[in-house]
Amino acid sequence: EVQLLESGGNLVQPGGSLRLSCAASGFAFSSYAISWVRQAPGKGLEWVSVIYSGGNSPYYADSVKGRFTMSRDNSKNTLYLQMNSLRAEDTAVYYCARIRGSYWHFDYWGQGTLVTVSS
Amino acid sequence: EIVLTQSPGTLSLSPGERATLSCRASQSVSSNFLAWYQQKPGQAPRLLIYGASSRATGIPDRFSGSGSGTDFTLSISRLEPEDFAVYYCQQYGRSLYTFGQGTKLEIK
Repeated sequence: EVQLLESGGNLVQPGGSLRLSCAASGFAFSSYAISWVRQAPGKGLEWVSVIYSGGNSPYYADSVKGRFTMSRDNSKNTLYLQMNSLRAEDTAVYYCARIRGSYWHFDYWGQGTLVTVSS
Repeated sequence: EIVLTQSPGTLSLSPGERATLSCRASQSVSSNFLAWYQQKPGQAPRLLIYGASSRATGIPDRFSGSGSGTDFTLSISRLEPEDFAVYYCQQYGRSLYTFGQGTKLEIK
């Protein structure tokens, strides 16, 4: 069974940093691209970043470029999102989602972890 | 960046009725790269349709997707009580992904 489990969400002050993790199981993690998608309270889905199976050159939404860094450790089947210079508008539930290649959609999602940026 | 605009914002229907949800792109999208998701309160999104018209595993056949270019449609033939939720379209292009703003399907 494919499972994605996010962790690391917390309350952080504006300008602060946080690292999210996404632990994967039930599939060949190293062979799949994975994304982070976030959802602000009461709002829609916003794509954040993607990292492909090789782990090189992640891509980011303009809203987080230069502040967030995505990485993966294929030996641990784990994905990371390092978030720096956090802003109030980064407050959201952050989901990791597996990408099915060829059609480039999100076929499995984690349950999400809440990041709150507030003083 | 391709912008996806979904309409209507809210759709009020009764169980048993047919629902038609629209997703319009600001530029042409490859049909292979258009997907639809369902999200219920407090839950993660669930994949319904990929490649514009292929149902994901376990999705009932009352859900269908169609369209090409800049206009795509999600149809639900006979609404069941569990279908009332928020629906999002999503596209992929040049290593970037975007979602529509969502359509809320509510019970009339």
